[in-house]
Amino acid sequence: NAGVTQTPKFRILKIGQSMTLQCTQDMNHNYMYWYRQDPGMGLKLIYYSVGAGITDKGEVPNGYNVSRSTTEDFPLRLELAAPSQTSVYFCASRDRVTEAFFGQGTRLTVV
Amino acid sequence: DQQVKQNSPSLSVQEGRISILNCDYTNSMFDYFLWYKKYPAEGPTFLISISSIKDKNEDGRFTVFLNKSAKHLSLHIVPSQPGDSAVYFCAATTLNSGGSNYKLTFGKGTLLTVNP
Repeated sequence: NAGVTQTPKFRILKIGQSMTLQCTQDMNHNYMYWYRQDPGMGLKLIYYSVGAGITDKGEVPNGYNVSRSTTEDFPLRLELAAPSQTSVYFCASRDRVTEAFFGQGTRLTVV
Repeated sequence: DQQVKQNSPSLSVQEGRISILNCDYTNSMFDYFLWYKKYPAEGPTFLISISSIKDKNEDGRFTVFLNKSAKHLSLHIVPSQPGDSAVYFCAATTLNSGGSNYKLTFGKGTLLTVNP
């Protein structure tokens, strides 16, 4: 029972590099989310999706892009990494009336 | 505009005593509330939830109370155990309004330390 799986767990990027954070869930949930957690700042919503082919911006979308071609996968793309994107990233999924299930997180450092 | 507020960044209690974590919200459209627990280097895990049609929900040592008129909820842990030491996040969403029922809005979290 995998739940929500995120890869990689850790990554160091240089300024200006790009990368994709992978997220996949096996619970057939329609809703998927990307959050970032900065120290003392809680969880801020970057992007979310209510189903395959549908995505929308959250509170802090600048510098990120997402796609949702399947129900299972919701990758987060950083095009030009900046130090301000150093954070821990969490992917989550839920159905309308369930709680959200989170992945283990990706710790990203941009230097 | 912080719609879900946890005003206490940290709380320290003795083992066996009650822990009370508080959460306030400003959006009157929220009708479903959740508490998550987070250990270091792990993702948040669901703890307990409450719908706005209730004022209390209990699950073992954990009880959540909701005061809709005050837009306030609290999580009680009795008795507290050292393994409860973690960051606790309050979250809110709308299930029935037909509005933003897909977003989960989180507070900043409260670090609970339970001392042996």
